[in-house]
Amino acid sequence: DTGVSQNPRHKITKRGQNVTFRCDPISEHNRLYWYRQTLGQGPEFLTYFQNEAQLEKSRLLSDRFSAERPKGSFSTLEIQRTEQGDSAMYLCASSRTGDEQFFGPGTRLTVL
Amino acid sequence: QKEVEQDPGPLSVPEGAIVSLNCTYSNSAFQYFMWYRQYSRKGPELLMYTYSSGNKEDGRFTAQVDKSSKYISLFIRDSQPSDSATYLCAMKLTGGGNKLTFGTGTQLKVEL
Repeated sequence: DTGVSQNPRHKITKRGQNVTFRCDPISEHNRLYWYRQTLGQGPEFLTYFQNEAQLEKSRLLSDRFSAERPKGSFSTLEIQRTEQGDSAMYLCASSRTGDEQFFGPGTRLTVL
Repeated sequence: QKEVEQDPGPLSVPEGAIVSLNCTYSNSAFQYFMWYRQYSRKGPELLMYTYSSGNKEDGRFTAQVDKSSKYISLFIRDSQPSDSATYLCAMKLTGGGNKLTFGTGTQLKVEL
């Protein structure tokens, strides 16, 4: 199966620490998206890449969050100085056409 | 008021029942509509994608869109216990918008 993969699947960290998540999109999908999902809610859009260019960022993406997609392949999402409110599932999706978006399994972050 | 409203449930039905899941939306610029299925602690899985009013059928699933009423539905025929999951509706703007806007999800349980 060559679906979207995300690592790590789970991350537990202490408040104030930095964390980084990785997303590997479906091969040949040039569009990549990050979303955040909290318990009982639908995913909320964070940011969008087309190839290596970050074309859209949500206001949810505070200065402590940064995302990159070097060379237009995998992407990383870094959260600096984590807060308890950052605890959530971080989801990555990819798309070839921008229409259908296919999601990975997510990274569950717990900030203690 | 949220842009996309979805009854969170839970909805409990007997095996073999026809299930009806619904979302309403307020922004008439939403033109692309999706249904995702999400099992506990997993990423969303794309079930249906449509961009026109009317019905689209795929196996036991039928997606219905009524743009005039800003209302979409997903019907599941002959429901199975394996259909027990959270069902998320999602929408995308016309004109090249990239992000998906999700409902909160409806939790479905199909009982033997």
